[in-house]
Amino acid sequence: DAGVIQSPRHEVTEMGQEVTLRCKPISGHNSLFWYRQTMMRGLELLIYFNNNVPIDDSGMPEDRFSAKMPNASFSTLKIQPSEPRDSAVYFCASSFDEELFFGEGSRLTVL
Amino acid sequence: QKEVEQDPGPLSVPEGAIVSLNCTYSNSAFQYFMWYRQYSRKGPELLMYTYSSGNKEDGRFTAQVDKSSKYISLFIRDSQPSDSATYLCAMSPYSSASKIIFGSGTRLSIRP
Repeated sequence: DAGVIQSPRHEVTEMGQEVTLRCKPISGHNSLFWYRQTMMRGLELLIYFNNNVPIDDSGMPEDRFSAKMPNASFSTLKIQPSEPRDSAVYFCASSFDEELFFGEGSRLTVL
Repeated sequence: QKEVEQDPGPLSVPEGAIVSLNCTYSNSAFQYFMWYRQYSRKGPELLMYTYSSGNKEDGRFTAQVDKSSKYISLFIRDSQPSDSATYLCAMSPYSSASKIIFGSGTRLSIRP
């Protein structure tokens, strides 16, 4: 299996623009997680899905952030409008038990 | 106070040294304890997974949990340059991945 696949790997955008990050989880995994990692705050859980249904979105910072999982093999995290403080590495992870399998991350820079 | 505290380092040791990485936590409900390793510009990967108190050994790595002190450790014996990475402790009250809380990570560098 190729592992969790994220795109884009790098994104540089200007404040106010819409950003869409994409994730393909490992086939057969029933849970999908979006994390954000910064130097200041470490690794924070934004939202997780179980069987394509959002279960806990309490970590989503504000209404500018939204996530969808239309099917078992695809998820998106959207930021609209983006702000400089959203600059971070965004990780997608999938799981079928207690272990998280992370993608390589999407590094977002908002100017 | 954060639920999980971890010294960010950086920690630099010579090759072959024994490395000790530590975390403290405040939530007594945590039962499952993990160490994830994260190489530069990569995602974290699970290194060790333990349940409740005690020791677990896997090759050069030993994970130790002391629930009475709310303290966990990761020991690396005969450290190698390839061990240079950020090590994140993580813990959860359940065996599910949905409630994992991560430490901020300790950056480790092994000097050849």
